[in-house]
This record gives sequence, C-alpha cells and structure tokens, in this order.
Amino acid sequence: DAEITQSPRHKITETGRQVTLACHQTWNHNNMFWYRQDLGHGLRLIHYSYGVQDTNKGEVSDGYSVSRSNTEDLPLTLESAASSQTSVYFCARPQTYQETQYFGPGTRLLVL
Amino acid sequence: GESVGLHLPTLSVQEGDNSIINCAYSNSASDYFIWYKQESGKGPQFIIDIRSNMDKRQGQRVTVLLNKTVKHLSLQIAATQPGDSAVYFCAENEAGGTSYGKLTFGQGTILTVHP
Repeated sequence: DAEITQSPRHKITETGRQVTLACHQTWNHNNMFWYRQDLGHGLRLIHYSYGVQDTNKGEVSDGYSVSRSNTEDLPLTLESAASSQTSVYFCARPQTYQETQYFGPGTRLLVL
Repeated sequence: GESVGLHLPTLSVQEGDNSIINCAYSNSASDYFIWYKQESGKGPQFIIDIRSNMDKRQGQRVTVLLNKTVKHLSLQIAATQPGDSAVYFCAENEAGGTSYGKLTFGQGTILTVHP
C-alpha cells in the first residue's frame, strides 16, 4: 500500500510557539485529512482538503491552519500552541473507497 | 471542554471466544460505516465496512451488523486471538458531496483477549 508519512513522530513545544506538523502521501490522492485523538473523544476532524489550494475546516479547527500547495503534502500549523492542543495527530487519505481513510502513524505533541 | 476521568468501554474475553463490540450512531443521514482497529502507538487500521443498503457483511473472522432502525452497529470477531487486543472504533460518513470522506468517530472500545 502506498505510504502516508508524518513528521516529527514526537514533539515537545512551549505554549505560544508556532508548530507545524508534516504529512506526506505518495499516492497523489486529492483528498487529505487531519484528525486529533484524545482519550474519551475518539478521533476528531481538524481540517481537510479536496485538492491543491482547497482547504476546509473540520469539527475542531480553532487554533489550527492548513495549506495545500501540492498534491502530496498537507502541513498542519498550530499558530500559537496551547496546552489544550496536547494530543496525538493523525493525517489520513482515502483507502480503497473514497470514504475510507488510511491513516499515517501519528505525531504525539506535548505543549508545556 | 474535555471531561476528566472518562473511561472507554472495555471488553475482556478468553482466547477462542467470540467478541461483540457495539456502537451507537446518531446521524440518520449517515450511509457508510467503518470499523477500525487501533493498536498502541499506531494509527487506526481499516477492518471492515458496510453501506446503509445492507444489514450484514462478513469478512475474515469478522462480521459487521447494521440496524438502521435503532442506529446501531456491531462488530463480531470470531475465535478471538490475543493479537485482536486493541481499541476498536466505529466511524460513519454522511452521504453528500460536502461530507465526502469526512468521518465521525465513536469513542472506542478496548478489547482485551486473555490467553
């Protein structure tokens, strides 16, 4: 299966800093998604993109932004990191069917 | 905000038993449902899916049942093995172009299989 990679895998930052999490896919799929995962909340959609220059807000988009300058990458930026953004972040792209997500390995972010 | 002390539902079974994991959904417009398995430190992994025009679908050792009347989804794992120990999530996708590929996830259930 084509890979979806995330970097860094672990990140510690301080409150107020800007942080960017990278997501790269090798399948050139138009659709890409960012989720965060917190205990007791499952995965929640942050932002998503249906193609180059297209970005959309998800359920928990406040404090986050994305940009899509090419098909392969959808970086997620925390404009001013807050402790409430300590979480595990997953990038995803469609799998066999358009509706099914294939997830990357995740980035664990700790905001102190 | 987030609640403190939330606990995921848990299911403990013996190796070889059958497991049933349940999920309730609330959006009657959802037309596609997926079960994911997530092992510690990894991303969710697709197990099986079902569309709303079906009420049952079988895979290898897994079966998904859909009851649209009561908005209930279940995952049955036959002859559960220790390697099945993980957190299991159900997810739903609402029909329509603006929701395409956007999944809403359930809270998750922890399955522990004892040898």
